[in-house]
Amino acid sequence: DAGVIQSPRHEVTEMGQEVTLRCKPISGHNSLFWYRQTMMRGLELLIYFNNNVPIDDSGMPEDRFSAKMPNASFSTLKIQPSEPRDSAVYFCASSSLAGTGELFFGEGSRLTVL
Amino acid sequence: GENVEQHPSTLSVQEGDSAVIKCTYSDSASNYFPWYKQELGKGPQLIIDIRSNVGEKKDQRIAVTLNKTAKHFSLHITETQPEDSAVYFCAASSGDDKIIFGKGTRLHILP
Repeated sequence: DAGVIQSPRHEVTEMGQEVTLRCKPISGHNSLFWYRQTMMRGLELLIYFNNNVPIDDSGMPEDRFSAKMPNASFSTLKIQPSEPRDSAVYFCASSSLAGTGELFFGEGSRLTVL
Repeated sequence: GENVEQHPSTLSVQEGDSAVIKCTYSDSASNYFPWYKQELGKGPQLIIDIRSNVGEKKDQRIAVTLNKTAKHFSLHITETQPEDSAVYFCAASSGDDKIIFGKGTRLHILP
């Protein structure tokens, strides 16, 4: 298996623009997690899905952030409008055991908002 | 909700010496404690985990200990090597499917 695939790897955009980050989980995994990594706050859980259903989005910073999982092989994280403080590395991870087993992370999407 | 504190934020040890990273958690219902290693430009990878029904687990040069009463758990790396240089994260899960991470420890192995 190719592992968790994220795109784009790098994105530079201007404040106010819409940003869409994409994730393809490992086939057969039924849980998907979005994390944000910054130096100050470490790895923050934004939202997670079980069987394509959003279970907990309490970590989503504000209404500018939204996430979808239309099917078992694809998820998006959207920021609209983007702000400089959204600059971070965004990771997608998938698991076959939800919160009780190994998370497999993608290589991340580094977002810079100017 | 769960809160995980991790110390130190940076650690430098001489090659061949041992490294210890400590974490505390807040939710007494937490029962799964993984450790992840993140190399530059990569996503974190699981290196070892421990569940609440055991107090210690070892895998070659790495070991984890868990004290449920004190809500402490630690990672021990012995005979450190240059390839151990990375960022290490502890995490905790209370079985509600959420894995909450500490802020990470940047480990430097000095030649």
